[in-house]
Amino acid sequence: AQTVTQSQPEMSVQEAETVTLSCTYDTSESDYYLFWYKQPPSRQMILVIRQEAYKQQNATENRFSVNFQKAAKSFSLKISDSQLGDAAMYFCASTGGGSQGNLIFGKGTKLSVKP
Amino acid sequence: DTGVSQDPRHKITKRGQNVTFRCDPISEHNRLYWYRQTLGQGPEFLTYFQNEAQLEKSRLLSDRFSAERPKGSFSTLEIQRTEQGDSAMYLCASSLEASGTYNEQFFGPGTRLTVL
Repeated sequence: AQTVTQSQPEMSVQEAETVTLSCTYDTSESDYYLFWYKQPPSRQMILVIRQEAYKQQNATENRFSVNFQKAAKSFSLKISDSQLGDAAMYFCASTGGGSQGNLIFGKGTKLSVKP
Repeated sequence: DTGVSQDPRHKITKRGQNVTFRCDPISEHNRLYWYRQTLGQGPEFLTYFQNEAQLEKSRLLSDRFSAERPKGSFSTLEIQRTEQGDSAMYLCASSLEASGTYNEQFFGPGTRLTVL
């Protein structure tokens, strides 16, 4: 069964600094997608960044980038120039296999940003 | 279209009562997913629909849980004879599924259920 593990329940970063959130996953699928979702307090979850497993190049979206290590099954998120609005729960997720497209989520990392 | 909406946002009920939640997906999206999120955990997949067909329901937590999507538009999730362990956030997500591609799931704000 697919699993996603986030080993950092909480992280803290100073405004304007860089922080990296860790994620490892396990899957038997050869074709899959990986995601980082952001869930601000009392607000809905939004997609931050996605990575197709067949692409070797790491995805980047403005201040957000990933370090995708396929052999190690590692998928970390780097947030550069952290802003107060980045404070949220961050969930790593992978597609669950097959054609149904459901997501398998980790337990999340709570990110705090200090002014 | 303003995104995925869910109603109600909060529901407090007594143990043993039935509850029903509604999800309205983004209008052109053909896939609709239900997830449950308990405190301190990530969302857990429950079931999904492709148009009006429920293609996976083995992950529903018990036979007290059921979901429908009549006419392939909005969906309802019903929990019968609620238990305190059902207290959680119930999330709905929708996506536009196209052959050969994976498209982003857009999440609603969730319905927070409290069973007393």
